Amino acid sequence: QQQVKQSPQSLIVQKGGISIINCAYENTAFDYFPWYQQFPGKGPALLIAIRPDVSEKKEGRFTISFNKSAKQFSLHIMDSQPGDSATYFCAASHQGGKLIFGQGTELSVKP
Amino acid sequence: GAVVSQHPSWVICKSGTSVKIECRSLDFQATTMFWYRQFPKQSLMLMATSNEGSKATYEQGVEKDKFLINHASLTLSTLTVTSAHPEDSSFYICSASAPGTDTQYFGPGTRLTVL
Repeated sequence: QQQVKQSPQSLIVQKGGISIINCAYENTAFDYFPWYQQFPGKGPALLIAIRPDVSEKKEGRFTISFNKSAKQFSLHIMDSQPGDSATYFCAASHQGGKLIFGQGTELSVKP
Repeated sequence: GAVVSQHPSWVICKSGTSVKIECRSLDFQATTMFWYRQFPKQSLMLMATSNEGSKATYEQGVEKDKFLINHASLTLSTLTVTSAHPEDSSFYICSASAPGTDTQYFGPGTRLTVL
């Protein structure tokens, strides 16, 4: 029940396209859902986060869509750029506790 | 934005020696710090949760006598890998959160190689 399942494992998108990464969770007590971006050899960097009382949050080219009834949330990267090529992790937590991470998605944006 | 630093960024040591990794929150006070390890192409695995002034809470399967965690101040936590062996070689990452917030800010990581 603590798992967060992330898909796809890897994703190849053309420059200018939309990258979509999906996550599903089981624990309805989760109340915080962040997305992290990680480049090779670096620590994860917070990209964007959402709470379950909001269905969508947008920051620049990055949008989180949240479906509470389906217990799913997704990251959309609009106008994807080669510089967006990285590994993306979704996560979930309850009341500021430990983060439960998804398995990660390796995104490659081709020029 | 909140900044978390780690030192060293990489370390190579001989089998049987101990290695200490520092994690600092530079511009905020962190009541809670977390330690993770990450193997290539894998997700982050939480090792322990550290609260300032109290003993760390270790995840199941993590040896607390091997991975010593100290959180002596609101801006510093340390992870000591005792009697390191080649299987301890990994990427160790810390994160920190400010009081009353959910957001965890991650350090840049420390690459440990045990020969």
